[in-house]
Amino acid sequence: GENVEQHPSTLSVQEGDSAVIKCTYSDSASNYFPWYKQELGKGPQLIIDIRSNVGEKKDQRIAVTLNKTAKHFSLHITETQPEDSAVYFCAASIGNQFYFGTGTSLTVIP
Amino acid sequence: DAGVIQSPRHEVTEMGQEVTLRCKPISGHDYLFWYRQTMMRGLELLIYFNNNVPIDDSGMPEDRFSAKMPNASFSTLKIQPSEPRDSAVYFCASSLLGAHEQFFGPGTRLTVL
Repeated sequence: GENVEQHPSTLSVQEGDSAVIKCTYSDSASNYFPWYKQELGKGPQLIIDIRSNVGEKKDQRIAVTLNKTAKHFSLHITETQPEDSAVYFCAASIGNQFYFGTGTSLTVIP
Repeated sequence: DAGVIQSPRHEVTEMGQEVTLRCKPISGHDYLFWYRQTMMRGLELLIYFNNNVPIDDSGMPEDRFSAKMPNASFSTLKIQPSEPRDSAVYFCASSLLGAHEQFFGPGTRLTVL
């Protein structure tokens, strides 16, 4: 099956700086790559996604890039704010199955 | 829309007891997914339904686990008998497009003593 690796596991940044989280996947059949934000005590919330026919997608301060050849994709958050502090999960999808990364705990220091 | 609704939010039970977790998907969504989240294993897909029919239950850990979806607006995940290693947060998610754009509920935190 698919194997998704996510790095780093923890990340601290100063407010206003950028944060980058990277994921790799193993199965070239994966065709959909969502990113979820999970706040304490809550369920994961979809924040952005990208399909395999697109290289980059941006939504205000967040962006995702996908390199199909290298089988990796990244989440970029610019101008970070304290409310961006949460655990972020990447996932790769084959058919109707999601394979999640292990999560990155992001802390934005005011 | 109220989003995906799960109940109870917290459940504490003793080993050997039956546990039933409940989920109401977003109206109109035809896919429903059950996940389990633990520190050790992260987020794992247990089973998913399409149009109330179980499609893939390969993630269900043991025969002690069962899931049903009697209608488009309700699903249950049952553990009988429960064991301490079942302690986890269980999430239900629904979508209109299969695995794409899944919306998660708030989860049920299960503790088995």
